[in-house]
Amino acid sequence: QVQLVESGGGVVQPGRSLRLSCAASGFTFSSYGMHWVRQAPGKGLEWVAVISYDGSNKYYADSVKGRFTISRDNSKNTLYLQMNSLRAEDTAVYYCAKDLAVGATPLPPGSYGMDVWGQGTTVTVSS
Amino acid sequence: QSVLTQPPSASGTPGQRVTISCSGSSSNIGSNTVNWYQQLPGTAPKLLIYSNNQRPSGVPDRFSGSKSGTSASLAISGLQSEDEADYYCAAWDDSLNGLCVVFGGGTKLTVL
Repeated sequence: QVQLVESGGGVVQPGRSLRLSCAASGFTFSSYGMHWVRQAPGKGLEWVAVISYDGSNKYYADSVKGRFTISRDNSKNTLYLQMNSLRAEDTAVYYCAKDLAVGATPLPPGSYGMDVWGQGTTVTVSS
Repeated sequence: QSVLTQPPSASGTPGQRVTISCSGSSSNIGSNTVNWYQQLPGTAPKLLIYSNNQRPSGVPDRFSGSKSGTSASLAISGLQSEDEADYYCAAWDDSLNGLCVVFGGGTKLTVL
């Protein structure tokens, strides 16, 4: 079945780095754009970043631009989020999500929605 | 402060029809499609409506979406207890400040 499994979360001190991974299975990973979305404790959803199916296009939320990097390895069916210079406000559950649209689309990333989500991995930034 | 504005709460009794609004601007809802997500307590979000009014396979037709100008709405008819959840709207935003996906702040639906 179609599945996304995040890993790599944990407790980290402010200013340090962490890399999240998202292992995909059950679908042709290399054909779909992929997103990271986070949710701070008791708060709503916040989109973090998206990468196109071939890795050629990447977009970021202003809150993480310059600190976070989204990447993918289509040979390993894995999505990554490299998080540097972490802050307390980055504390959240981080979800990876698959874009509904396949391949190149005429509409912007995320326009068709995120139809498969992982269970999330928790990142806590605290001294 | 979310870019898309939703009421923080909504409620209804079983069998009722409820609507949840989502207000944006010309750079997001006004020029791009709207998607809706349902998040049951303690679970990951689920895509409920995509491209303004399309239902993914498996989503009951009790759920419907619409868009007009810079606003969108999610309607739930025949309300059921299992519909009690948080609902989020989302859209692509292509303002001069940058390109990104924006979410509404979420609406907590209570079935009375």
